[in-house]
Formats: sequence, structure tokens, C-alpha cells
Amino acid sequence: GQQVMQIPQYQHVQEGEDFTTYCNSSTTLSNIQWYKQRPGGHPVFLIQLVKSGEVKKQKRLTFQFGEAKKNSSLHITATQTTDVGTYFCAGPIYNQGGKLIFGQGTELSVKP
Amino acid sequence: NAGVTQTPKFRILKIGQSMTLQCAQDMNHNYMYWYRQDPGMGLKLIYYSVGAGITDKGEVPNGYNVSRSTTEDFPLRLELAAPSQTSVYFCASQPAGRNSPLHFGNGTRLTVT
Repeated sequence: GQQVMQIPQYQHVQEGEDFTTYCNSSTTLSNIQWYKQRPGGHPVFLIQLVKSGEVKKQKRLTFQFGEAKKNSSLHITATQTTDVGTYFCAGPIYNQGGKLIFGQGTELSVKP
Repeated sequence: NAGVTQTPKFRILKIGQSMTLQCAQDMNHNYMYWYRQDPGMGLKLIYYSVGAGITDKGEVPNGYNVSRSTTEDFPLRLELAAPSQTSVYFCASQPAGRNSPLHFGNGTRLTVT
């Protein structure tokens, strides 16, 4: 069946270092969404990418959608302790309306 | 707007007991979802609904039931709780439209012992 894989599962960085998480889908996606979940919290929507090759920025966060619309990445420049949490990508399940399939998430810890 | 409200926040059940996790949204969203989250496993879809009176199974529906009698409410029923159902449960709502983001509740942490 359709799968969305994320790597790495965990990433520990020193504050100020950069961080990247990668998302790969087994099928072409019409769009991809990214969510952040703080420890003990619930997933919160960050952004959606729709176009092939699209790049969007939110301050220190850069999101990219691959040309084939099967992969995506989230890059954080100069991490801060406030970036701690788990980052999930999610794509719509083929031919099933708004239902999303989530990647396993990348848990980011930042050492001050 | 309160958004998506889940109750209770925490619950401990004994094996074989039953309970209902409540979920309500006040954003008039058509779509609602129940996910469970286990450590390192991401979010797995249990059940979903595209509108009042319509529900369907997700990836992991066994041991659960849902109903959607109103647009606002989407309760999740656990019958005969098992230790494998120990998890964090999230309810989410979504406006109609495949490109819409999900709005999550704060979750219910359930332990079955």
C-alpha cells in the first residue's frame, strides 16, 4: 500500500547547528503537509506544498517539494531550543479525499 | 472558537473495560478523524467521517467503533479494552477539500492494564 517514510527518526543537534528531515512517498502526491508536535503536545500544521519543485520559507525553516512530487524536506537553519519537537510530513491517500497518511516523524532535540 | 476539544485527557482502564473518548469541534468542519500515536510509529488512522451519518474505517479500526450523529461530535468507543490499545489518541477535524490542513485536539492518553 501507499507509504510515507521519514528519515532520520531522531536527530540530536547543538544549538546553532542546522537540521534537515527528509520525507519520501511511494506514490506521487498532490500535495504535502508538514506538522510540528512539541513534547507532550498535539500536531500543529506548519505548511502545505502543492507545486512541483516548490520552496517555501518560514523564518529559519525552509520547506521543499521535489520535482517528481514524491519527496520533500524541511531544513532548519541555526536551530534554537524552541525548535525541539517531532516533525511530521503527511500526504493525501490516493483517491480518498482529504485523508492523510503520515510519516513516522523526526524527533529533534537541541542541546543548549 | 475552542477548536477541537477532547475529553478526558488521561484515563486508566482495566483489561476488558469499555470507554468512550469524546471529541467535539466548533468550526463546522465536515471531516473528522481519529488517530492513535505510539512512540516512534507516527500517527495511525483509526476511523474517519466525511459528514454526519457517514463513517469509515482507517488503517487500524479493530477494537474500536465510532458514530457521527452531528457535525460537531465524533466519539470513539473502545469495547473490551486490551493492553495493545495503550496509546495517545488524537481527534482531528478538517474543512472539506483535499488540500485542507488538519486541526488536532490535545489528545487523550490511555493506559490499559
